Amino acid sequence: AQSVSQHNHHVILSEAASLELGCNYSYGGTVNLFWYVQYPGQHLQLLLKYFSGDPLVKGIKGFEAEFIKSKFSFNLRKPSVQWSDTAEYFCAVKGTNAGKSTFGDGTTLTVKP
Amino acid sequence: KAGVTQTPRYLIKTRGQQVTLSCSPISGHRSVSWYQQTPGQGLQFLFEYFSETQRNKGNFPGRFSGRQFSNSRSEMNVSTLELGDSALYLCVSRGSYEQYFGPGTRLTVT
Repeated sequence: AQSVSQHNHHVILSEAASLELGCNYSYGGTVNLFWYVQYPGQHLQLLLKYFSGDPLVKGIKGFEAEFIKSKFSFNLRKPSVQWSDTAEYFCAVKGTNAGKSTFGDGTTLTVKP
Repeated sequence: KAGVTQTPRYLIKTRGQQVTLSCSPISGHRSVSWYQQTPGQGLQFLFEYFSETQRNKGNFPGRFSGRQFSNSRSEMNVSTLELGDSALYLCVSRGSYEQYFGPGTRLTVT
């Protein structure tokens, strides 16, 4: 069975600090990986995705994630966060040919101005 | 192109009633999945439809059902509502290489 583990439930940072949110997954096959963001009062939006190729994926708003196959990880990073990055972040994994995605429990990021 | 639309956006029902939620995927997308989002359980997969057929089903009771029409629009139905069914119900429209979430339907059961 597939599963996703997000290491931190709540992260608090000051503006300009660097961010890394951990995500590890368990799946017995080739995967597609996603990070979604949910800003307060808004719906889930895709930040970035990995399907194949370069394991370092760049997404919107300066976010990036690195797929490390040997570690079953897909950590999200941003060099310098802004107050507007305050949101909940979800990591998700999907089998390459599957329709079902499995989500982590989410990490709430609070950025202090 | 238009995004994923879900109707209604907000709904208040009482225990024991039933409810039907609707999702219109992005034009050309044939796969629609449904998720339930609650603070306690996070995002949980309900079911996935592709070309009018249910392809996957999550671990929800039989009170939760769905269907997909020939135009790819999908509905989910919850019968005999319980307080614990209060949640945000999200629809996901999936194409070959991308998937997009709808804004969700916020269901409150009183």
